[in-house]
Amino acid sequence: DQQVKQNSPSLSVQEGRISILNCDYTNSMFDYFLWYKKYPAEGPTFLISISSIKDKNEDGRFTVFLNKSAKHLSLHIVPSQPGDSAVYFCAASRSGGSNYKLTFGKGTLLTVNP
Amino acid sequence: GAGVSQSPRYKVAKRGQDVALRCDPISGHVSLFWYQQALGQGPEFLTYFQNEAQLDKSGLPSDRFFAERPEGSVSTLKIQRTQKEDSAVYLCASSLRLAEYTDTQYFGPGTRLTVL
Repeated sequence: DQQVKQNSPSLSVQEGRISILNCDYTNSMFDYFLWYKKYPAEGPTFLISISSIKDKNEDGRFTVFLNKSAKHLSLHIVPSQPGDSAVYFCAASRSGGSNYKLTFGKGTLLTVNP
Repeated sequence: GAGVSQSPRYKVAKRGQDVALRCDPISGHVSLFWYQQALGQGPEFLTYFQNEAQLDKSGLPSDRFFAERPEGSVSTLKIQRTQKEDSAVYLCASSLRLAEYTDTQYFGPGTRLTVL
């Protein structure tokens, strides 16, 4: 039972345009969400996070939006650059017991074409 | 500074062999985690250490999997009598503080285990 779902296995975008990566979750207990970026042969690298008390968090070219009622979050990258080409994982966790456990989606492979 | 390192980076084992995977967390990090990432999947939680104490091993798939962190720094994940379904990338992560859900987990590059 996938509690965090990334329904698009891949996304291709032109350099300079916006990349939008989507993530849905089913567990209403999740209240903290993260995006990790992964290059081949490397471990995931933390990118940006958002708490459920917010609906938007921005860091440079990266913005995460959270829609709690729809149990949906998205990562916007503007403008996209070729170096952004990687697999992006959405992850979620919850406060309270076992709050350290991250539940990951399957990832979306982003390709930014020059 | 140095990040999380893991060794070996690649391991090929024959079915039935025992393997040991090593993780060197970031110096001073209190919390250490192991995840398993099967092909085409996201990482899945295996176990959590706070210093040398293993506080959660709920994600270990069977009693063939064993993890330790005896001195609160380096950790070893051991898999006994490996099976083909154990083939995956094993990721180690560490975080600075006692695990809080907002504390960033820093991942190592992983060990790719292939069981023939």
